[in-house]
Amino acid sequence: EVQLLDSGGGLVQPGGSLRLSCSASGFTFSSYAMSWVRQAPGKGLEWVSVISGSGTTTYYADSMRGRFTISRDNSKNTLYLEMNSLSAEDTALYSCAKGFGGNIWDPFDFWGQGTPVTVSS
Amino acid sequence: ERVMTQSPATLSVSPGERATLSCRASQSVGTNLAWYQQKPGQAPRLLIYDASTRATGIPARFGGSGSGTEFTLTISSLQSEDFAIYHCQQYNMWPLTFGGGTRVEI
Repeated sequence: EVQLLDSGGGLVQPGGSLRLSCSASGFTFSSYAMSWVRQAPGKGLEWVSVISGSGTTTYYADSMRGRFTISRDNSKNTLYLEMNSLSAEDTALYSCAKGFGGNIWDPFDFWGQGTPVTVSS
Repeated sequence: ERVMTQSPATLSVSPGERATLSCRASQSVGTNLAWYQQKPGQAPRLLIYDASTRATGIPARFGGSGSGTEFTLTISSLQSEDFAIYHCQQYNMWPLTFGGGTRVEI
């Protein structure tokens, strides 16, 4: 059974940093691209970033590029999101999501339950 | 960036009725379009990919159609468990983008 467990969220001050983790099990982690997707309160889904199975290729949403860094440790079956220079607009539930096929752009067949990030002074 | 626009924002239907949800792309996305269902407090579930292919385990009452800039998700006969928010997503061009969602309610 595929499981994705998000963690690392919390309350952070504007300008602060946070590192999110997503622990994966139930599939061959290194074979699939993984993304982070966020959902602000009362808003729709917003894709944040993706990383290829090998970790060599990454893409970011424009508003996150330069502030967020996605990475993975395939030996630990874990996905990460390092977030810097956070602002109130980054307040959201952050979820990891597994690409369902072999392409980095594939849609997502499994999602974590999310970890909440609140940016406030 | 491909902007995805879903309509209507809210769709009120009765169980057993047919529901038709729309998703429009600002530029062509070919058939690189997925639909997700999200219930309160739950993660999204992949329903449709490649515009019209049902994901594993998705009932036949869910159907997707369209290409280019106009897409439709049809639920042929609404069941009580289908009341949820539905999101479309394009994966034709970076950045990946989602629509704002359609809430299907009684």
